[in-house]
Amino acid sequence: QVQLVESGGGVVQPGRSLRLSCAASGFTFRNYGMHWVRQAPGKGLEWVAVIWYDGSNKYYADSVKGRFTISRDNSKNTLSLQMNSLRGEDTAVYYCARSLQEWYFDYWGQGTLVTVSS
Amino acid sequence: QSALTQPRSVSGSPGQSVTISCTGTSSDVGGYNYVSWYQQHPGKAPKFMIYDVSKRPSGVPDRFSGSKSGNTASLTISGLQADDEADYYCCSYAGRSTFGVFGTGTKVTVL
Repeated sequence: QVQLVESGGGVVQPGRSLRLSCAASGFTFRNYGMHWVRQAPGKGLEWVAVIWYDGSNKYYADSVKGRFTISRDNSKNTLSLQMNSLRGEDTAVYYCARSLQEWYFDYWGQGTLVTVSS
Repeated sequence: QSALTQPRSVSGSPGQSVTISCTGTSSDVGGYNYVSWYQQHPGKAPKFMIYDVSKRPSGVPDRFSGSKSGNTASLTISGLQADDEADYYCCSYAGRSTFGVFGTGTKVTVL
C-alpha cells in the first residue's frame, strides 16, 4: 500500500534553515508528481510546493517562493523540502502528498512538525 | 490568492444529510472543474474524498457527493454517521502555477 513518511521537523530559530524528507513506498515513485502541504496549529491547509514526476518542473506558493526548494531523488524514492530564512509564520505540520492529475493530493503522509521560535 | 470560503461548522443528526459550501471566484472554483474535498479527523492526515468536482476515489462511500454551480462548490454527506464527524476542506486549482487553493475548513458535528 502507498506509504509516505516525513521526517526532519523540529524547533529552529527564525532565519535558520531546515530540511524535510519524505520517504515513499508502495508505488512507483518516479511516475508521480509530489506536493508539500502545510497546516499551522489550529489552522487550515496551505499548499506549499509541487514537483513534477521527473523533477523537470517545480512551483511554489508565493508565501515560500525564493526561500523554499523542493527536490526529489527517484533512485531513493525520496522527496525533500529545503527551507531557508525561516519565519514564525512557517510554523506548521508539513505533509508530503502524492499528486493525482497535478492538482489533487490522493495520499498523504502523517506529517512532521516544524516550529520556528527563538 | 485568498482562501476559499467555507462555513465554520455544520451539524446534523445520524442519518440526516448535511451540505458544505465552498465559495471562490472565477479565477479558481468558477474557472476550472478541478475541485477536490478532503476529510481530516483530529490529529490525522487529510483523506482524499472527491475530485473533478464530483468524482469519488475508490473506497469512498457514495454517501459523499460533490457538485458545483458558478463560483461555489458543495459537498453533501448523506446518511450521516458518527465517523463523519471531522473537518472538511475544499480545494481548487487556480491556474498561473497555483496548484491548490484550500478552503477555510468546516467542522462537521454529528449530534
